[in-house]
Amino acid sequence: AQTVTQSQPEMSVQEAETVTLSCTYDTSESDYYLFWYKQPPSRQMILVIRQEAYKQQNATENRFSVNFQKAAKSFSLKISDSQLGDAAMYFCAYRSPNKLVFGAGTILRVKS
Amino acid sequence: DTGVSQNPRHKITKRGQNVTFRCDPISEHNRLYWYRQTLGQGPEFLTYFQNEAQLEKSRLLSDRFSAERPKGSFSTLEIQRTEQGDSAMYLCAGDRGSSYNEQFFGPGTRLTVL
Repeated sequence: AQTVTQSQPEMSVQEAETVTLSCTYDTSESDYYLFWYKQPPSRQMILVIRQEAYKQQNATENRFSVNFQKAAKSFSLKISDSQLGDAAMYFCAYRSPNKLVFGAGTILRVKS
Repeated sequence: DTGVSQNPRHKITKRGQNVTFRCDPISEHNRLYWYRQTLGQGPEFLTYFQNEAQLEKSRLLSDRFSAERPKGSFSTLEIQRTEQGDSAMYLCAGDRGSSYNEQFFGPGTRLTVL
């Protein structure tokens, strides 16, 4: 069974600085999809960024980018120019194949 | 707002009572998923539907749990004879059925079993 591990329960970043959230996963499949979701306090979970495993190029979405290391089964999220609105719980997820398998999440705090 | 709604948003019940939650996904989403999220944890998969057919159920979905999606539109999740361990946030999500597509999540129903 696939598993997803987020080893950082909580992270802090100064506004306008850069922060990286870690994620590792375990799978025997060669083709799959990885996602980062954001869950703001008391609000709906929304997609931040996605990566297809067969694509070597790292996905980017504005201030958000990933470092996808397929051999190491690592999928970290980098947030540049952090903003107060980035404060949330971030979940790394693996698509398996009809459901998402989530990590335990990382709480991101943004300091002004 | 993702366009997915869930009702009620909060439910407090006594142990042993039955509860039912409803999810209304985006109309184009032929797949609908239910997840359970306990405090400080990531969501865990419960079950999913392709249109009205329930195609997969997790081991977490004991026989006290039942889900339906009549006519492939809204879905209901019922928990019979609730236990304190059922206290959690119940999330539903929908997508168009491709592995690439993101799942759109509802705001969840927070269940507290006293």
